Amino acid sequence: NAGVTQTPKFQVLKTGQSMTLQCAQDMNHEYMSWYRQDPGMGLRLIHYSVGAGITDQGEVPNGYNVSRSTTEDFPLRLLSAAPSQTSVYFCASSYPSGGGWSEAFFGQGTRLTVV
Amino acid sequence: DAKTTQPPSMDCAEGRAANLPCNHSTISGNEYVYWYRQIHSQGPQYIIHGLKNNETNEMASLIITEDRKSSTLILPHATLRDTAVYYCIVRGNTGTASKLTFGTGTRLQVTL
Repeated sequence: NAGVTQTPKFQVLKTGQSMTLQCAQDMNHEYMSWYRQDPGMGLRLIHYSVGAGITDQGEVPNGYNVSRSTTEDFPLRLLSAAPSQTSVYFCASSYPSGGGWSEAFFGQGTRLTVV
Repeated sequence: DAKTTQPPSMDCAEGRAANLPCNHSTISGNEYVYWYRQIHSQGPQYIIHGLKNNETNEMASLIITEDRKSSTLILPHATLRDTAVYYCIVRGNTGTASKLTFGTGTRLQVTL
């Protein structure tokens, strides 16, 4: 298993551009989520999904859209990039466990710079 | 807001045990204590979790006090590769309570 795969690893955008960060997992996990991590900070939840067709907002959803058409993929769309979205983005997945969710498995991150 | 309090940094000599403390005085009865670590801006890595009993796996041990208001992660024989930021997270297991809320963690520096 490849686990959680994020692409691209690095990206530079100009202000106002849009782009999609890709996240794919091959573990058949139902729960997927996106986090951002700013320098010196912990991770903050952007959006999450408990299964195909179901998404919900996290702590910092503004400026981002998500969709979940398949179990495997959970892309994160930046609608109009702003310098404040410069960050490292992590995708994670979990499986059902004990009536709830297992520990999270994280991808290696996408480092995004908006100029 | 993170529900945990951790020291910002700690040092440990290689080969010695690293004991990382965490306070979670507002933890509720159905919330678990999870530990993750992040090595040099890589994706966070799950270490261990527990509800009220002490837990041990191949990576670490987790000691939770009887009142569950604090816990300690123990790396029994720290190596240079254990240098990382360690996050203690209180997490419910169902619904919106299952979200992970990261604080700023403890930066552990293992030295020769």
